[in-house]
Amino acid sequence: AQKVTQAQTEISVVEKEDVTLDCVYETRDTTYYLFWYKQPPSGELVFLIRRNSFDEQNEISGRYSWNFQKSTSSFNFTITASQVVDSAVYFCALSDYAGGTSYGKLTFGQGTILTVHP
Amino acid sequence: NAGVTQTPKFQVLKTGQSMTLQCAQDMNHEYMSWYRQDPGMGLRLIHYSVGAGITDQGEVPNGYNVSRSTTEDFPLRLLSAAPSQTSVYFCASSYSDDRPSVDEQFFGPGTRLTVL
Repeated sequence: AQKVTQAQTEISVVEKEDVTLDCVYETRDTTYYLFWYKQPPSGELVFLIRRNSFDEQNEISGRYSWNFQKSTSSFNFTITASQVVDSAVYFCALSDYAGGTSYGKLTFGQGTILTVHP
Repeated sequence: NAGVTQTPKFQVLKTGQSMTLQCAQDMNHEYMSWYRQDPGMGLRLIHYSVGAGITDQGEVPNGYNVSRSTTEDFPLRLLSAAPSQTSVYFCASSYSDDRPSVDEQFFGPGTRLTVL
């Protein structure tokens, strides 16, 4: 069975601090996808990134960066110079990959509540 | 494109009542799914469908039925509502392959359901 663990339930930082959200996953599949979603106070789910298990390169997008390490089954997310607008719940998720297609059956972590204070 | 739409946005039911949560997408996605979100538990998959006429159970299917008669629509039926079904429900859709141009699963805005 697949499992995603986000051990940090809540994180509180002051604006401009860097913050890393941890994500550890378990799967028996050799091929899979990992995702990060943001859920702002308005409640919608905002896609941030998808990474497939073949690609262990780190990725940077503006103030966001992701560190994927298969050896430790981790896909951590760092926000550099945090801003108040980054306050949200962040979810890490894992998707199975069956027969060359991704059916998008996501297994979500419990979520990390990030609060950025001015 | 309207994306993924869900109706209603809010609903209050009494125990034992039945209702249908509507979900529609206009992106010609093969794959659609329903999740429920409960505090401290993230989102959990209820049912999913890989195409019209094909559905299957997810992690928490009990108390819910689905059908997929068209590519566009994927309604979720609560047969006899229980307080344990109080939750926020999200519908999602995506292509069923991993074409490079598609990175995400699109989520609807959610339906907040309270069962008294």
